[in-house]
Amino acid sequence: AQSVTQPDIHITVSEGASLELRCNYSYGATPYLFWYVQSPGQGLQLLLKYFSGDTLVQGIKGFEAEFKRSQSSFNLRKPSVHWSDAAEYFCAVGPFSGGYNKLIFGAGTRLAVHP
Amino acid sequence: DTAVSQTPKYLVTQMGNDKSIKCEQNLGHDTMYWYKQDSKKFLKIMFSYNNKELIINETVPNRFSPKSPDKAHLNLHINSLELGDSAVYFCASSQPLPGTGYNSPLHFGNGTRLTVT
Repeated sequence: AQSVTQPDIHITVSEGASLELRCNYSYGATPYLFWYVQSPGQGLQLLLKYFSGDTLVQGIKGFEAEFKRSQSSFNLRKPSVHWSDAAEYFCAVGPFSGGYNKLIFGAGTRLAVHP
Repeated sequence: DTAVSQTPKYLVTQMGNDKSIKCEQNLGHDTMYWYKQDSKKFLKIMFSYNNKELIINETVPNRFSPKSPDKAHLNLHINSLELGDSAVYFCASSQPLPGTGYNSPLHFGNGTRLTVT
């Protein structure tokens, strides 16, 4: 069955520290992978996506993610975290049903940033 | 300028009532979706419409009925509300990527927090 696992429910980092959020997926073919961020009371905003090509993708707000097929992973990274990065982060895999976006989401990782 | 807008933002109602949530997108997208986010933050797709045609219909109680009067609008009507319907409901839209057979990433609205008492 297709699934997305985000092993870390809650992560706390200090401002200025580096960050890595883990995402593992289970999918039978080449996945289409996404990271979304959700601030409190807000909708989900796309950070970055991987469709094909270079396995290291750059996103908005200084985030990047690396697709590793051998590990079925798509971890999100940021070299220096800002207090405004505190939010909920969702990894999603896109099995497209008839060409449409039937995304499967992970349970999310809540990021807290200490000053 | 809001790309995907939902109303209302908050909805508090009693069990047994019927309520609707409205969604509009001004992105010119052909495809719209309803996702449900439960209390544990799990997001799961409910429905999807493409050009007013239902294309994805997950295992959702038939008390939930989506309606798309035009491709810019997708409303969600819920009959006989139950406590378990309490959640945040997100509307989203996307657009086919020419020549690929796939859609663009989802653009989400800010959600409607439904509380059933």
